[in-house]
Amino acid sequence: GAGVSQSPSNKVTEKGKDVELRCDPISGHTALYWYRQSLGQGLEFLIYFQGNSAPDKSGLPSDRFSAERTGGSVSTLTIQRTQQEDSAVYLCASSKTGLGQELTGELFFGEGSRLTVL
Amino acid sequence: GDSVTQMEGPVTLSEEAFLTINCTYTATGYPSLFWYVQYPGEGLQLLLKATKADDKGSNKGFEATYRKETTSFHLEKGSVQVSDSAVYFCACSWGKLQFGAGTQVVVTP
Repeated sequence: GAGVSQSPSNKVTEKGKDVELRCDPISGHTALYWYRQSLGQGLEFLIYFQGNSAPDKSGLPSDRFSAERTGGSVSTLTIQRTQQEDSAVYLCASSKTGLGQELTGELFFGEGSRLTVL
Repeated sequence: GDSVTQMEGPVTLSEEAFLTINCTYTATGYPSLFWYVQYPGEGLQLLLKATKADDKGSNKGFEATYRKETTSFHLEKGSVQVSDSAVYFCACSWGKLQFGAGTQVVVTP
């Protein structure tokens, strides 16, 4: 597709369950980012991929959070044993260039996956 | 540590009013600076950017000037429209893009 695609757009789950969120970046974009947007908070950086490797995963809040990227394209963010504080909108973005290079380029964001943990 | 601070919202304005949203950053270097906008029901999109001191970014009637001496990148528009109602995010790049908390702007007819 033309833009960054995320799925599901909405996910309601019970506390303790695992969830997977998917991001399909713009074709040809080597850099991929995950952010979290909580109510009343700004965008919180989670992890960055350059190709299939993740040189910066400093924003992952706990070891319940993990992410992978395959084929330099689709990425999956997995949250294990979800907690209520994980409720947020998870945003994925992609760009042509990434960290370690001058970030003057534009990030293209998906519409996000809204996660609600009951 | 490095951070971005922007004014809290919501900011409520009448159509054709002047809009300013303050943004300041703390950094040891000279980051690139951005304003992103999130319209209702849509994803974030880049509004404008500036990559070095004294650069002015502009788009859709919005402007922001990179002020190194005050470490600021305030967003301005001279005459807002109802369609400008959105959440505006200031962001700085020290490698990764770091965002402010966002400012909701509501423009009434």
